[in-house]
Parts: sequence; structure tokens; C-alpha cells
Amino acid sequence: GQNIDQPTEMTATEGAIVQINCTYQTSGFNGLFWYQQHAGEAPTFLSYNVLDGLEEKGRFSSFLSRSKGYSYLLLKELQMKDSASYLCAVMDSNYQLIWGAGTKLIIKP
Amino acid sequence: GAVVSQHPSRVICKSGTSVKIECRSLDFQATTMFWYRQFPKKSLMLMATSNEGSKATYEQGVEKDKFLINHASLTLSTLTVTSAHPEDSSFYICSARSGETEAFFGQGTRLTVV
Repeated sequence: GQNIDQPTEMTATEGAIVQINCTYQTSGFNGLFWYQQHAGEAPTFLSYNVLDGLEEKGRFSSFLSRSKGYSYLLLKELQMKDSASYLCAVMDSNYQLIWGAGTKLIIKP
Repeated sequence: GAVVSQHPSRVICKSGTSVKIECRSLDFQATTMFWYRQFPKKSLMLMATSNEGSKATYEQGVEKDKFLINHASLTLSTLTVTSAHPEDSSFYICSARSGETEAFFGQGTRLTVV
């Protein structure tokens, strides 16, 4: 079966760094996405990785290792507005998105 | 990024009535559109995938006669919840994709059936 695992909840301090991990087992791989979702809103796109390595975009970076079936989202200089759920999704061989359950990130002052 | 507009953002309807939700890609042609449902504190659940001009492919357990999907053009897909019941109350989200690129999401529709 297809499976995406990510922690249910994480807590971090304003100004700090947090890493949200995602491991996956899917039938084929055509890229991994990270989305941010604030409560009551639709997800917004953060990053897309299809090759191994680190992609940096401002305060957010995303890493992929296809051989390990592993990705992480790194958030630096945390701000209170970063409190949200972070969803990991993998596009399988049929170009369908398989979703993780999301990680709720709580930022404390 | 590309813009996907979903309308309405909130709707309250009486039990037994039907509700139509629209999803439009404003600045690109969406060859594929996805409809998701999200329960509180749960992940997105894919309901169906639609390709322009063809019938939608529904996920197991999703009633196609209850959730009617139409993808008549490359910029518009609609989801109609027919004979809505309180258990259909949920957050419905569409996303659109052109070819094999990333998917862009609409703003979501919060449906409340009373």
C-alpha cells in the first residue's frame, strides 16, 4: 500500500528553527510537495522536490532523498504566523497526489 | 503561482437541497482538476479526479450520484452535492493542474447543511 508518515504535532519557539520530517512509500515517484495550511483555509504551495538535495526558498527549505524515501521541511527564524499545519504529499506513478495527515506546528513566544 | 478561484467560500443549505461549488483556473488551462474533502483535524481526502471533456474518476466509497462533477471546459469544474444531508457538512477544496505540474488549490468551500 501507499503510505506517507509525518509527525502529528510539533512545538517550537519564535525565532528558532524547526525541521518537519516526512517518509513515504508509494508506487512510483514523480515529486514531493510541501503545503502549508492555516486553520479553516485551503492549503498553499510551499515547495516541490523531484531530485535529491536541498531546495532553499527564503526562510523555508525542503530536502529530498529518493533512495531513503525521505524528505524534510526546514523553517528558519520562526514567526508566530508560521503556526499552521504542514502537509507532505507525494505524486505517484499515475501522477496522483498521496497526502500525509499533516503536522500541526505550534509556535510559542 | 497560478490562481485557482473557488466559489462560494461558505454556504449554508437546508437538508435535502443541492449545492453547486465552482472551481475556476484563472490564468492557465487546467487539464486535470481534483476535488477533495477535509474533515476537522484530518488530512485531505481525494474524492474524484476529472479531466476536461471526460467523466470524473471517483475514489472508492464516494457516491458519484451524490457528488456530481462536471469539467466542461479547461478553466471550469463544478461539484454539485445533491440532496445534501448534515453529514455532508465539510470543507471542500478543489485543485487544478496543467499537464504534470504542481497542483494549485482553490480557497475552499465550507458547506454547512442544516
